[in-house]
Amino acid sequence: AQKVTQAQTEISVVEKEDVTLDCVYETRDTTYYLFWYKQPPSGELVFLIRRNSFDEQNEISGRYSWNFQKSTSSFNFTITASQVVDSAVYFCALSGVWGAQKLVFGQGTRLTINP
Amino acid sequence: SQTIHQWPATLVQPVGSPLSLECTVEGTSNPNLYWYRQAAGRGLQLLFYSVGIGQISSEVPQNLSASRPQDRQFILSSKKLLLSDSGFYLCAWTGTSNYGYTFGSGTRLTVV
Repeated sequence: AQKVTQAQTEISVVEKEDVTLDCVYETRDTTYYLFWYKQPPSGELVFLIRRNSFDEQNEISGRYSWNFQKSTSSFNFTITASQVVDSAVYFCALSGVWGAQKLVFGQGTRLTINP
Repeated sequence: SQTIHQWPATLVQPVGSPLSLECTVEGTSNPNLYWYRQAAGRGLQLLFYSVGIGQISSEVPQNLSASRPQDRQFILSSKKLLLSDSGFYLCAWTGTSNYGYTFGSGTRLTVV
């Protein structure tokens, strides 16, 4: 069975600090996708990134970066120079590539950026 | 472009009343469709998914049911709501490429 673990339930930092959100996953599939979503207070899920299991290159998008390490089954998310607008709940998720492609979510990390 | 519509945004229903939440997708055909629920302060749990018209798979035994009467329409229902059905319900779809799920804006259901 697939499982995603986000051990950090809540994180609180001061604005401009860097912060890393951890994600560890379990799957028996050899090919899979990993995702990060942001959920602001409005509740809507905002897609941030999808990573194919074949692609272990780290990715950077502005202040966001992702570190995928297949050897440790981790897909961590770092926000550099955090801003108040980054405050939200962040979910890591995993899906298969074929068939129904069910998305399995971690429990989420509530990130609070204090001014 | 593809869009997903979900309504209503907010719903307050008494215990024992029926429920019908609707989700429609535009701009794509034969999508995979999903219903997720998020209890207060918790993660998202997959309730149902559908890979085609009339094809419904249930992930969690519960007081709810789902139907897909048309290719791009997905309905979540209950005959009699329970207090434990309260939560935030999200509809989502994926295409064949699974570039990523697209989620609706959600329905916040409170059963009183």
